[in-house]
Amino acid sequence: GESVGLHLPTLSVQEGDNSIINCAYSNSASDYFIWYKQESGKGPQFIIDIRSNMDKRQGQRVTVLLNKTVKHLSLQIAATQPGDSAVYFCAENRGNAGNMLTFGGGTRLMVKP
Amino acid sequence: KAGVTQTPRYLIKTRGQQVTLSCSPISGHRSVSWYQQTPGQGLQFLFEYFSETQRNKGNFPGRFSGRQFSNSRSEMNVSTLELGDSALYLCASSQGAGDTQYFGPGTRLTVL
Repeated sequence: GESVGLHLPTLSVQEGDNSIINCAYSNSASDYFIWYKQESGKGPQFIIDIRSNMDKRQGQRVTVLLNKTVKHLSLQIAATQPGDSAVYFCAENRGNAGNMLTFGGGTRLMVKP
Repeated sequence: KAGVTQTPRYLIKTRGQQVTLSCSPISGHRSVSWYQQTPGQGLQFLFEYFSETQRNKGNFPGRFSGRQFSNSRSEMNVSTLELGDSALYLCASSQGAGDTQYFGPGTRLTVL
């Protein structure tokens, strides 16, 4: 990503393995959660989202799990590929009547061939 | 559909100057939000515009301002630039409240 932090947590996985990226959120009132992927020199790219009335949502090779009890969100990537290498951010929408995302610090995913 | 576009992509200014950044949302999207990304603070919300009105505002000083035009294009302005304003400024658009926000590539601002 665009220099998103000298102390960014890093997850290193072998190509073909599954990846799990975790995120804690703070606001119980948040009702919409999104995962973004950011590659170097690019803006965040939407991956998958989930609303608070759900606890699981699946996309292509990705699954998001939401645990409202402990305010925890996770992103699972199946069969991780080198192209998945990027910084991943979770975000929550706190806007009362709009769009005001609060982002987590990000996790750098490195895929080893 | 074309994605969110931002101009310019790169900008170098000196302290005390002002700068205007531009964002064109995805066609049909009426909400435009601005974010600042720095190594130290990560991604932080600046403000959101919807139908030419500021709907939400983040915790930034008054030197940061914005506006939205009737065609949903948006601009943000930073006056009296400080070294700490060096950052990647990202614009995101969505159809309405609580809808998915799609980001542009950002404008990299360097303040010398």
